[in-house]
Amino acid sequence: TQLLEQSPQFLSIQEGENLTVYCNSSSVFSSLQWYRQEPGEGPVLLVTVVTGGEVKKLKRLTFQFGDARKDSSLHITAAQPGDTGLYLCAPLKSTFGDGTTLTVKP
Amino acid sequence: DAGVTQSPTHLIKTRGQQVTLRCSPKSGHDTVSWYQQALGQGPQFIFQYYEEEERQRGNFPDRFSGHQFPNYSSELNVNALLLGDSALYLCASSFRGVGLSYEQYFGPGTRLTVT
Repeated sequence: TQLLEQSPQFLSIQEGENLTVYCNSSSVFSSLQWYRQEPGEGPVLLVTVVTGGEVKKLKRLTFQFGDARKDSSLHITAAQPGDTGLYLCAPLKSTFGDGTTLTVKP
Repeated sequence: DAGVTQSPTHLIKTRGQQVTLRCSPKSGHDTVSWYQQALGQGPQFIFQYYEEEERQRGNFPDRFSGHQFPNYSSELNVNALLLGDSALYLCASSFRGVGLSYEQYFGPGTRLTVT
């Protein structure tokens, strides 16, 4: 099983601030997916990154896959309270990281 | 168009009992994966079913078994329940489970409590 480490574990910021969360492993991945999970619900897929060095944007969210395909980051610009949730990364058909719990205060 | 549905929503069982959880995939999907999510952790992959067969399995004991029916719905069975089996059990469906960027959609989960 590939071990994924996500950091930070918890992040609490004010509305309008920028933030970056990380997903790291010693293993190489063919692809990596990012999800957001809200309390009482299942995770919702945000993006899949496949190519080393790839950058994908989803509105205010920017996802990057490391050149060596061992790590990934998620950057949120001008965070809003609606961004609050648990952000998870996972390779396909495998165990997820433990996630970053993000709280954006109005 | 209904998304992924799971039943029951909540369940309380006693140690040593057996439990069956059910999942109906999103319309048009033919692959079902099951995950276990303990409190404060990310989902752990249990197994995936496609064409009524278990195709891939995570690091879970044989007490965890499953089944997929011809209509693509699926069941997760757990025997000889342990306190540590208490968790949110998530079902995810996708189409053919192949490719590097396939999308899977999760249901809301079944909260299992073992006492």
